[in-house]
Amino acid sequence: EDKVVQSPLSLVVHEGDTVTLNCSYEVTNFRSLLWYKQEKKAPTFLFMLTSSGIEKKSGRLSSILDKKELFSILNITATQTGDSAVYLCASAQGGSEKLVFGKGTKLTVNP
Amino acid sequence: SAVISQKPSRDICQRGTSLTIQCQVDSQVTMMFWYRQQPGQSLTLIATANQGSEATYESGFVIDKFPISRPNLTFSTLTVSNMSPEDSSIYLCSVVSAVLNYGYTFGSGTRLTVV
Repeated sequence: EDKVVQSPLSLVVHEGDTVTLNCSYEVTNFRSLLWYKQEKKAPTFLFMLTSSGIEKKSGRLSSILDKKELFSILNITATQTGDSAVYLCASAQGGSEKLVFGKGTKLTVNP
Repeated sequence: SAVISQKPSRDICQRGTSLTIQCQVDSQVTMMFWYRQQPGQSLTLIATANQGSEATYESGFVIDKFPISRPNLTFSTLTVSNMSPEDSSIYLCSVVSAVLNYGYTFGSGTRLTVV
């Protein structure tokens, strides 16, 4: 059965801290690994990773994929209260193009 | 990336009634999907909306409960039928296209509360 597992499920930090969110996957016909930020209803796209070892960066956020070990991490440096959200990891299946989501990590950044 | 207009944004419905959610995409896309997010849970795929043919449903979801239409490559509807409080969820449509380098875009979501 295809699955995506995220850890931790919940995280509380102070502003300025650095956090690392984890995502492991077991998906048939893997195409890509995606990270989303969800604050209200719609997930907001952060990164799509298809190749191992290539870090993607956007401001204070970065992510990397390890296709041998079947995991990805999302790093957020110098966290701000506006980073408080649920971070979702999803794996895309080639062919069907379906997304399999993890349960998400709820990040709370306190002032 | 594609832009999706999803409506309604939210609704409160009586049990036993039905609600139809619409998604309009600003470009032709190959694949459209409908997801459900129950309170405190992650996203679960309901079905793949196929243009010109019946939708492909995931295990645990059936056409009688969640009929889906996709008359063309830019539009789809999801109906939640004979609603019960357990149907209270966020419903999201999503599209992906090879033309868009397989980037996935989500609609703004519909928050449904069944009372």
